[in-house]
Amino acid sequence: SQQGEEDPQALSIQEGENATMNCSYKTSINNLQWYRQNSGRGLVHLILIRSNEREKHSGRLRVTLDTSKKSSSLLITASRAADTASYFCATDAPSETSGSRLTFGEGTQLTVNP
Amino acid sequence: KAGVTQTPRYLIKTRGQQVTLSCSPISGHRSVSWYQQTPGQGLQFLFEYFSETQRNKGNFPGRFSGRQFSNSRSEMNVSTLELGDSALYLCASSSLRDRASGYTFGSGTRLTVV
Repeated sequence: SQQGEEDPQALSIQEGENATMNCSYKTSINNLQWYRQNSGRGLVHLILIRSNEREKHSGRLRVTLDTSKKSSSLLITASRAADTASYFCATDAPSETSGSRLTFGEGTQLTVNP
Repeated sequence: KAGVTQTPRYLIKTRGQQVTLSCSPISGHRSVSWYQQTPGQGLQFLFEYFSETQRNKGNFPGRFSGRQFSNSRSEMNVSTLELGDSALYLCASSSLRDRASGYTFGSGTRLTVV
């Protein structure tokens, strides 16, 4: 089952606009990660934010994390047509076995129109 | 450096058959995880291997199994295939020394069961 819920499920914007995607999760986490997927291919890691961080930037990406609300948001500024893809949040939670596993949200399909 | 390599890229099998998928992680990465992606269930964790040991397992039936070799390459096997096993199977590798980089995913193996 999916731990996370993302909204919106789909987002359509014009090039140059900003895109914001939200993610909620249910359990305590070590970190939260965002991935991008183009047309059913492999996932590309975008950014990781640790549970003790509140905000992180990477290029045109800005991620926030609110552990009290168990939520995160991904902001893509000055979007481009090449940003069209599905975006997933994934949580890495503490494990009794010392192993690691990601629990993914349902994803947001972003379409950037030229 | 070379990315995560998954073979084959596409596979068509008949119900009741078995299938083996292969994953070669990034050189130096000792953790390999497997995920199943379907339109209905999204991305779900199958299992994780580290140093040839399964550290974590998701909620999949025993028909799904895996292993990791001494060179960190991993295989997953699905026996007695069912139509519902049709999915994109993704392999991911990570380095414990560089967790901030998240996971690197392969392009996946698209399995179709007919």
